[in-house]
Amino acid sequence: DTEVTQTPKHLVMGMTNKKSLKCEQHMGHRAMYWYKQKAKKPPELMFVYSYEKLSINESVPSRFSPECPNSSLLNLHLHALQPEDSALYLCASSQDWRSVQPQHFGDGTRLSIL
Amino acid sequence: QKEVEQNSGPLSVPEGAIASLNCTYSDRGSQSFFWYRQYSGKSPELIMSIYSNGDKEDGRFTAQLNKASQYVSLLIRDSQPSDSATYLCAVNRPQGAQKLVFGQGTRLTINP
Repeated sequence: DTEVTQTPKHLVMGMTNKKSLKCEQHMGHRAMYWYKQKAKKPPELMFVYSYEKLSINESVPSRFSPECPNSSLLNLHLHALQPEDSALYLCASSQDWRSVQPQHFGDGTRLSIL
Repeated sequence: QKEVEQNSGPLSVPEGAIASLNCTYSDRGSQSFFWYRQYSGKSPELIMSIYSNGDKEDGRFTAQLNKASQYVSLLIRDSQPSDSATYLCAVNRPQGAQKLVFGQGTRLTINP
């Protein structure tokens, strides 16, 4: 069990659907992250939130829309996704923005786009 | 040149032996280095972090960092079949905090 909780664990959606991925942590961490991981590849950073503000967007397509409602929650809103967006989506958190603070990952949401 | 490079393996080690995993990075200003273990179908799990030159030991795991050579390694002593996984080396870029860059991962198999 991890201290970063992601829901749902699996999601299948069509290209015209709108869905959201959710991430929650109760460790008092002030930095949260979204990563995308394709099979047999390393995680790739998508977004970084620091103190509930978006600090990094790695040129992610606008069909992915992040949201940080409060310091414990991170959402990723999905709309009009493409089949190539099928992947494992990982949320992570760290104590704060400083580079020495390690990131801890949730179990991920496995997303399939039909 | 990739920012973080690892041998993709697979690396096969007999049970009880020492497994040695290597990683090099290109940005000399990098300051924080992490090793994650990822079992098939699971998420990455932090197993070691290291920030200064030298060795850092935690149980059967030892991380080694040499900033002059831009090299970081992970040694696993008394390897167990449960250590079979992909090991990801991750480096924090110095520009902008918390931009973690991963190597491609080394797949390790421990043979009973």
